[in-house]
Amino acid sequence: DAKTTQPPSMDCAEGRAANLPCNHSTISGNEYVYWYRQIHSQGPQYIIHGLKNNETNEMASLIITEDRKSSTLILPHATLRDTAVYYCIVRLPTGNQFYFGTGTSLTVIP
Amino acid sequence: NAGVTQTPKFQVLKTGQSMTLQCAQDMNHNSMYWYRQDPGMGLRLIYYSASEGTTDKGEVPNGYNVSRLNKREFSLRLESAAPSQTSVYFCASSGQGTGANVLTFGAGSRLTVL
Repeated sequence: DAKTTQPPSMDCAEGRAANLPCNHSTISGNEYVYWYRQIHSQGPQYIIHGLKNNETNEMASLIITEDRKSSTLILPHATLRDTAVYYCIVRLPTGNQFYFGTGTSLTVIP
Repeated sequence: NAGVTQTPKFQVLKTGQSMTLQCAQDMNHNSMYWYRQDPGMGLRLIYYSASEGTTDKGEVPNGYNVSRLNKREFSLRLESAAPSQTSVYFCASSGQGTGANVLTFGAGSRLTVL
């Protein structure tokens, strides 16, 4: 599975959009991009995933560049409850191993 | 549905003691996983089981054994606990399908080895 690179930390003002980048320059054609988040010491929570097209659900939007070498997770209106560590993972859908890096620690500021 | 249930939530062991962490899922998922998370670190995969009857090593398997008892249950055993195994342990499961291979995590088991 391809490796990912994320900034270690970011801040965002409450109510503003939070844009979390992820670099995955070695991604292969059939690998998906997954995003999870971990709030304090809880188990990680699935947010969204995508292959090529941009995706949106009730939690977030995922923008994948045309060359698929990077992506951005967008939380449209960040709240204090969105303060968490966000993990970007790239893997085959049929793969059996999810490898988490150290993620991005997002702090939403009042 | 309860999702993924882990027991115990907290455990304190002395060096050299053994224990088993239990994990059960009620989502009919084929794959199950054990991760550990040390303070300030990301999750590291210990072992996983792609299906009932199979297990494979992850990134950090040394000092652990696993058993996939049936489709629902996947246990993690520490035969001789060491202080380096002090960590939070997370169990997870995932289903099948191209886009639906998403992990569901348990609440975690916090283990301290003295």
